[in-house]
Amino acid sequence: DVKVTQSSRYLVKRTGEKVFLECVQDMDHENMFWYRQDPGLGLRLIYFSYDVKMKEKGDIPEGYSVSREKKERFSLILESASTNQTSMYLCASSWAAGTTGNTIYFGEGSWLTVV
Amino acid sequence: GQQVMQIPQYQHVQEGEDFTTYCNSSTTLSNIQWYKQRPGGHPVFLIQLVKSGEVKKQKRLTFQFGEAKKNSSLHITATQTTDVGTYFCAGPSNNNDMRFGAGTRLTVKP
Repeated sequence: DVKVTQSSRYLVKRTGEKVFLECVQDMDHENMFWYRQDPGLGLRLIYFSYDVKMKEKGDIPEGYSVSREKKERFSLILESASTNQTSMYLCASSWAAGTTGNTIYFGEGSWLTVV
Repeated sequence: GQQVMQIPQYQHVQEGEDFTTYCNSSTTLSNIQWYKQRPGGHPVFLIQLVKSGEVKKQKRLTFQFGEAKKNSSLHITATQTTDVGTYFCAGPSNNNDMRFGAGTRLTVKP
């Protein structure tokens, strides 16, 4: 079974802190994603990466950055956390998507509260 | 950019009633995927539709892909309490990432 592991399930951080959310997948997937999920807004894509050291902005990249130094690891960074970044963050991975698409596998999610 | 719209946002049904959620895209999709997220859980892949007009069934769940490949639906016959959760559709964007609808949250009254 594919496993996508997010390092922290629940975090509480202060406004202005730098926050790292780590994600590791064990299936040698090319693609990795970071989404945030908020009530009524569904899953919104923050960033995704289709290869090591490659990244693409999603719909809401402002206030976030990412790092992919190794294929299996994709990190989401909040340079200076703000209260409006309180949310549930989902990491995901998939094989390289072609025209027929590929299943996306999600981690358990990280609940971040910024106070 | 490509958008995937999903309705309704919420649906509350009595156990045994049917349920349908609809997904519409602003552009033609090469494929569409459906996911289910149980309360407190993470989204889990249900199915992928690729062909125009395709219909697939999984027990009480019926998935359809429109002829124009711009819309899709998920229909659940005779809902059960185990169907509770949020159902998402997702389609590939021009960048080959997947864009999700806002989801339909289903609650079932026993």
